[in-house]
Amino acid sequence: DIQMTQSPSSLSASVGDSVTLTCRASQAIMHYLAWFQQKPGKAPQPLIYAASTLQSGVPSRFSGSGYATEFTLTIASLQPEDFATYFCQQYNFYPVTFGQGTRVDIK
Amino acid sequence: EVRVIQSGAEVKRPGSTVKFSCTVRGYTFVDFSVHWVRQAPGRGHEWVALINPEEGRTVYSAQFQGRVSVTADASTDTSYLELRSLTVDDTAVYRCEAESPRAGLFWGQGSLVIVTS
Repeated sequence: DIQMTQSPSSLSASVGDSVTLTCRASQAIMHYLAWFQQKPGKAPQPLIYAASTLQSGVPSRFSGSGYATEFTLTIASLQPEDFATYFCQQYNFYPVTFGQGTRVDIK
Repeated sequence: EVRVIQSGAEVKRPGSTVKFSCTVRGYTFVDFSVHWVRQAPGRGHEWVALINPEEGRTVYSAQFQGRVSVTADASTDTSYLELRSLTVDDTAVYRCEAESPRAGLFWGQGSLVIVTS
């Protein structure tokens, strides 16, 4: 199975900060990487698919990049509603696998 | 706007069977592959199965092979997941995720199953 490793596991930031989250795949997955935001008790909200394509309706302060094994999600100018857990998903190989998540909380 | 609508919560006995539904609205159903993913309390996401409704192709996680079935009905834009021989370890929220190369990925709100004697 493809292992997806996210870093850091958590971070503290302030409103207006820019943050970058990383997701590494144990094998090359081309561009089949998605990013999601999840808040407690809620369904994951899609942000990015195909590594860098912004899901419809997602603010442009979210951006994704990367290919093969190394991927990043950048949130420019954090807003209060952005404090949440973010996780990645590879969907190139079965079983589909997920990162363990990065929690972004308020400093 | 794509909406993924799932069936409601269930309480089941060990050894029984549960069946969930997942309906995709707002886009062409056969454009999607439908993944089923579960999240147990305090744990990460665990992939269960996939169906491609247009091709009829299914893929199952080895962990669930033999006690899970996924189907799709294109006439109602609905996928179904059936999980048999339930144990308390199957207590989780089961979500479907609709994946389209053109539109992206969309999650349902989840269906909670509690397995208890």
